Amino acid sequence: AQSVTQPDIHITVSEGASLELRCNYSYGATPYLFWYVQSPGQGLQLLLKYFSGDTLVQGIKGFEAEFKRSQSSFNLRKPSVHWSDAAEYFCAVSGFQKLVFGTGTRLLVSP
Amino acid sequence: GAVVSQHPSRVICKSGTSVKIECRSLDFQATTMFWYRQFPKQSLMLMATSNEGSKATYEQGVEKDKFLINHASLTLSTLTVTSAHPEDSSFYICSASGRGVEYEQYFGPGTRLTVT
Repeated sequence: AQSVTQPDIHITVSEGASLELRCNYSYGATPYLFWYVQSPGQGLQLLLKYFSGDTLVQGIKGFEAEFKRSQSSFNLRKPSVHWSDAAEYFCAVSGFQKLVFGTGTRLLVSP
Repeated sequence: GAVVSQHPSRVICKSGTSVKIECRSLDFQATTMFWYRQFPKQSLMLMATSNEGSKATYEQGVEKDKFLINHASLTLSTLTVTSAHPEDSSFYICSASGRGVEYEQYFGPGTRLTVT
């Protein structure tokens, strides 16, 4: 069965510092992987996705993620965090017609 | 492109009444729509999947008689919470996928339901 693990419940990063959010997945076939961001009381916004090809994926708002099949990981990175990046981040893996989400990582940005 | 709307964004209802939430795909044909529930500070839990013109498929533990889902057209799905109780208070989010992009879902902004 598909599953996604986001081991960090909370992460605090200073504004301007780099960020890496971890995501590990379990899936029997080639995974389709996603990162979403959710601000309080809002729906989900797609940051980036990986279907195939180049394992380093560029997304919106300066985010990128790297698919590492050997480690079953799809970590999200940003070189310089802005205060507006404070939100909840969800990693997800997709089988046909079904998304499985991780438990989320709450990002706090300190001045 | 690929915009999904939900209405209402917030609703308060009295215990025992029913409330309907609409989910619309604005610029594409949504062959499949999904309904999620999200408790505070938790992840999204899939409630049901509906294909246009077919009965919804509910996840284990979701009461189909309580959460009525209708997907009558390629642009509209509705979730009706029947005989709502305070424990049904939650954030409900819909998503949709289209033909040829079944692996990707586009999310609505969510509906906050409060049952008093």
